[in-house]
Amino acid sequence: AQSVTQLDSQVPVFEEAPVELRCNYSSSVSVYLFWYVQYPNQGLQLLLKYLSGSTLVKGINGFEAEFNKSQTSFHLRKPSVHISDTAEYFCAVGMAKTGNNRKLIWGLGTSLAVNP
Amino acid sequence: GAGVSQSPRYKVAKRGQDVALRCDPISGHVSLFWYQQALGQGPEFLTYFQNEAQLDKSGLPSDRFFAERPEGSVSTLKIQRTQQEDSAVYLCASSSRGLAGGDNEQFFGPGTRLTVL
Repeated sequence: AQSVTQLDSQVPVFEEAPVELRCNYSSSVSVYLFWYVQYPNQGLQLLLKYLSGSTLVKGINGFEAEFNKSQTSFHLRKPSVHISDTAEYFCAVGMAKTGNNRKLIWGLGTSLAVNP
Repeated sequence: GAGVSQSPRYKVAKRGQDVALRCDPISGHVSLFWYQQALGQGPEFLTYFQNEAQLDKSGLPSDRFFAERPEGSVSTLKIQRTQQEDSAVYLCASSSRGLAGGDNEQFFGPGTRLTVL
């Protein structure tokens, strides 16, 4: 079975500062990894995903994440945040092996609050 | 539009009522998922369809929950005899991939917020 742990429930940060949102996972099989963002009263939107290949993944809105297999981590980073980045961020894992269920297992979310 | 749509966006039900939540996936998407998101939590898997076949319903919390996708497109999640603990946002997602492989990036609808009084 897979599980996802988002290590920070809330992250306050000032505008234009860098930010890192941490995500660790556990799985006995190969996985795909995702970060989704949820703005207030909106649906979940994909930020970026790791499938294979380069461990540094770039996504939308200037976000990037690095897959670290030895540490089973997939931390999300942005070098300079904006007020508009205020939202809930979710890390999710899905099984990579074909033929398996396609469901995603989710973390509890990290609330990013960007202050002026 | 080209995205996943859900209706209604908000639903208030009295305890004991039956409710039906609708999901229109992206046209041509093979896979369809239902998730339940309680306040302050991440989504929790409920059930999965590949076309019209319900391949996994392991996440449905009780036999009061029932989902269908009879023609492999639109899906309905039905909750019978609603209870207060059913209050949550119900999310629908679709994916172009089935079990045959490839990444399982899912595209989400805006959700239906169910409040049971």
